[in-house]
Amino acid sequence: GQNIDQPTEMTATEGAIVQINCTYQTSGFNGLFWYQQHAGEAPTFLSYNVLDGLEEKGRFSSFLSRSKGYSYLLLKELQMKDSASYLCAVRDREGGSYIPTFGRGTSLIVHP
Amino acid sequence: NAGVTQTPKFQVLKTGQSMTLQCAQDMNHEYMSWYRQDPGMGLRLIHYSVGAGITDQGEVPNGYNVSRSTTEDFPLRLLSAAPSQTSVYFCASSPGGPVRNQPQHFGDGTRLSIL
Repeated sequence: GQNIDQPTEMTATEGAIVQINCTYQTSGFNGLFWYQQHAGEAPTFLSYNVLDGLEEKGRFSSFLSRSKGYSYLLLKELQMKDSASYLCAVRDREGGSYIPTFGRGTSLIVHP
Repeated sequence: NAGVTQTPKFQVLKTGQSMTLQCAQDMNHEYMSWYRQDPGMGLRLIHYSVGAGITDQGEVPNGYNVSRSTTEDFPLRLLSAAPSQTSVYFCASSPGGPVRNQPQHFGDGTRLSIL
């Protein structure tokens, strides 16, 4: 199975940049997802990485290093609405299920 | 498009009662899964299915049953509710086959309290 680690909580200032890290251990890595979850709501998809490098999507970018078992989500020009929990999920081809395992999430608080 | 629909949205049960949480998707997705989310614990996989007629256990399956008689529906049954099953339950679906890189789509969740 996977062992996924991310910080529990982070704070940042509106307009700033924040980087949320995720480390993982898996025997058959097959992709990493980032989701955003506002309080009381369902997770929504942000990004997907399966190859090394940076994927950019507007204010959000996600980076992956498979050799280091490491990913980060970069949020630029932070807005108050970015206050949410950010979930890292890793998919493992072992067993063939392709169902991701989630980390415990990072709660991001953006203040004025 | 409805996406993934979960019912009910809220439910209060007494210890020992049984109930079924419903999940339906209209995207013809092969993969469906049930997670529970507790404070500080993230999303933990209960059961999943990779197609009609096929189900398997996830990380925390005890006390829950599932079945997948159709592609659209994936109900989760609590056999004898216990206070430890108080949680928020999410159902998710995703395509199978050659588009396995597609993300999961989540329902709005069912908030379940066991007294």
